[in-house]
Amino acid sequence: AQSVTQLGSHVSVSEGALVLLRCNYSSSVPPYLFWYVQYPNQGLQLLLKYTSAATLVKGINGFEAEFKKSETSFHLTKPSAHMSDAAEYFCAVSTPGGTSYGKLTFGQGTILTVHP
Amino acid sequence: EAGVVQSPRYKIIEKKQPVAFWCNPISGHNTLYWYLQNLGQGPELLIRYENEEAVDDSQLPKDRFSAERLKGVDSTLKIQPAELGDSAVYLCASSLAGWDEQFFGPGTRLTVL
Repeated sequence: AQSVTQLGSHVSVSEGALVLLRCNYSSSVPPYLFWYVQYPNQGLQLLLKYTSAATLVKGINGFEAEFKKSETSFHLTKPSAHMSDAAEYFCAVSTPGGTSYGKLTFGQGTILTVHP
Repeated sequence: EAGVVQSPRYKIIEKKQPVAFWCNPISGHNTLYWYLQNLGQGPELLIRYENEEAVDDSQLPKDRFSAERLKGVDSTLKIQPAELGDSAVYLCASSLAGWDEQFFGPGTRLTVL
């Protein structure tokens, strides 16, 4: 079984400040991990993914995430927030191989608000 | 390259009525997914197709929901009859294969009155 917990349903930062969105996962096998962004009335867009290569993953729009096995975490960060980063962010886990390969299990989402 | 296309974008119906959603995946993508996204929650998988075969429909409420992907390309998700609790966004996604990146459509927002 696999699950994802996103700590904080709402995060608010000032423009130019550090963005930190937290994600912890549970998986019985080494997981693949993903961060998606969803803008209002749009589908989900992949920001970045971890698939067992480098533990520090860089994505689009200046975002990055670090896979920490000991902490079962995959937190998303961006050094300097921009107004256009305001959106909802979802962390997701999947397990490679087996009958459930490719099945994404999503967290509850974190709404990021950026203040001028 | 066109993305995943879904229609309609919005649908309002009365309870007990039937409703259908259509999805056209990215050309060449063999795997197609239908997700349910309730307000304030992450998407939950309803069904996954590999070509025309439903390989994972364990989360599909089969008493009222049905889906098909007859020629292994576009797909239709149906609800009959709809209930108030079915109000949600229905997302379609596709990928080249089951382990590849999933690309999502804009979703269909269903409101059941």
